[in-house]
Amino acid sequence: GENVEQHPSTLSVQEGDSAVIKCTYSDSASNYFPWYKQELGKRPQLIIDIRSNVGEKKDQRIAVTLNKTAKHFSLHITETQPEDSAVYFCAASGTGYSTLTFGKGTMLLVSP
Amino acid sequence: DAGVIQSPRHEVTEMGQEVTLRCKPISGHNSLFWYRQTMMRGLELLIYFNNNVPIDDSGMPEDRFSAKMPNASFSTLKIQPSEPRDSAVYFCASSLGTGVNEQYFGPGTRLTVT
Repeated sequence: GENVEQHPSTLSVQEGDSAVIKCTYSDSASNYFPWYKQELGKRPQLIIDIRSNVGEKKDQRIAVTLNKTAKHFSLHITETQPEDSAVYFCAASGTGYSTLTFGKGTMLLVSP
Repeated sequence: DAGVIQSPRHEVTEMGQEVTLRCKPISGHNSLFWYRQTMMRGLELLIYFNNNVPIDDSGMPEDRFSAKMPNASFSTLKIQPSEPRDSAVYFCASSLGTGVNEQYFGPGTRLTVT
């Protein structure tokens, strides 16, 4: 089955800095790569996703890049704000390609 | 739309007791997922239903866990008997269409087994 590795496990930045979270996946047939944000005590919520037919997608301060050859994808957050502090999960479509396999998460702390 | 609804939000039970978690997916969504979240193991898929039919239950940890989806608007996850290591947050999520698409998560049920 699919295996997703996520790094780093924790990331501390100053407000206004950029943050980058990286994930690798094992199944070359995976074709959908979402990123979820989970605030403390809340549910995971989708913030951006990318499909395998594009290499980059942007939404305001958030961007995701995908390298299918190397089987890795990354989340980029620019001009970070304290409200960006949360746990971020990457995922890749897994067995049967209707399910998702999640990375272990990255706790992002943005200090004012 | 009210989103995915889960009940109860918190459950505290003693080891050996039966626990039933409930989920109502978003109306019109035809895929439903049960996840378990712990610090050690992260977010794990337990079981996936499509059009009320269990498609992939390979993530169900053992026979003590069972899940049903009797109709398009209701699903249950049952643990019998419960054990302390089952303590976790259990999320239900639903999505629309065929193939893999955005999953909408419910608020979760925090289960504590003492």
